[in-house]
Amino acid sequence: RKEVEQDPGPFNVPEGATVAFNCTYSNSASQSFFWYRQDCRKEPKLLMSVYSSGNEDGRFTAQLNRASQYISLLIRDSKLSDSATYLCVPSGSSNTGKLIFGQGTTLQVKP
Amino acid sequence: GAGVSQSPRYKVTKRGQDVALRCDPISGHVSLYWYRQALGQGPEFLTYFNYEAQQDKSGLPNDRFSAERPEGSISTLTIQRTEQRDSAMYRCASSLKTQTGELFFGEGSRLTVL
Repeated sequence: RKEVEQDPGPFNVPEGATVAFNCTYSNSASQSFFWYRQDCRKEPKLLMSVYSSGNEDGRFTAQLNRASQYISLLIRDSKLSDSATYLCVPSGSSNTGKLIFGQGTTLQVKP
Repeated sequence: GAGVSQSPRYKVTKRGQDVALRCDPISGHVSLYWYRQALGQGPEFLTYFNYEAQQDKSGLPNDRFSAERPEGSISTLTIQRTEQRDSAMYRCASSLKTQTGELFFGEGSRLTVL
């Protein structure tokens, strides 16, 4: 089983739609979780951290389900500028800074 | 500049040659990471450093790959006897503290092995 699994998509949605991505991870000792965004031919950039209680940043909501070992990202009211690849990143065990990136899920928002 | 700087941006080499890729992290950043990314895939972990100490090199594919960060700042990723399968984007990232998920990536070094 891969350490991090994401549906590569692409997810094609109209502007204004709500879209959700899931990501499963295999290391039950992972303590921290993150979503990164990567635009075409650019470097990844941190989008948001994922806290145990879930967190919201504007139109973006991240949730963590430790029991089922998955994290999710919800984007409301999609904008054309949200088109990108979203990378799921769980940390390694608590005593390591190793970060494993998922394959990424590609989102295309259409007018 | 203020960001992570990688050089060269593009490198074309012949099979069997050695290449060295350089990463200059953000000043003061403690941790430095190397990743490799193929088209359509997420970054693949290679190795990381805290200061000058290599903490984890479990992602290095084989012993042709090595990395160093001798003074806790600039790092070099060296690939010996390159093979065509080494062709990829090599990305360096740094973070201010250890064990934080906020990585700042450079623009990458695109390696093509002919």
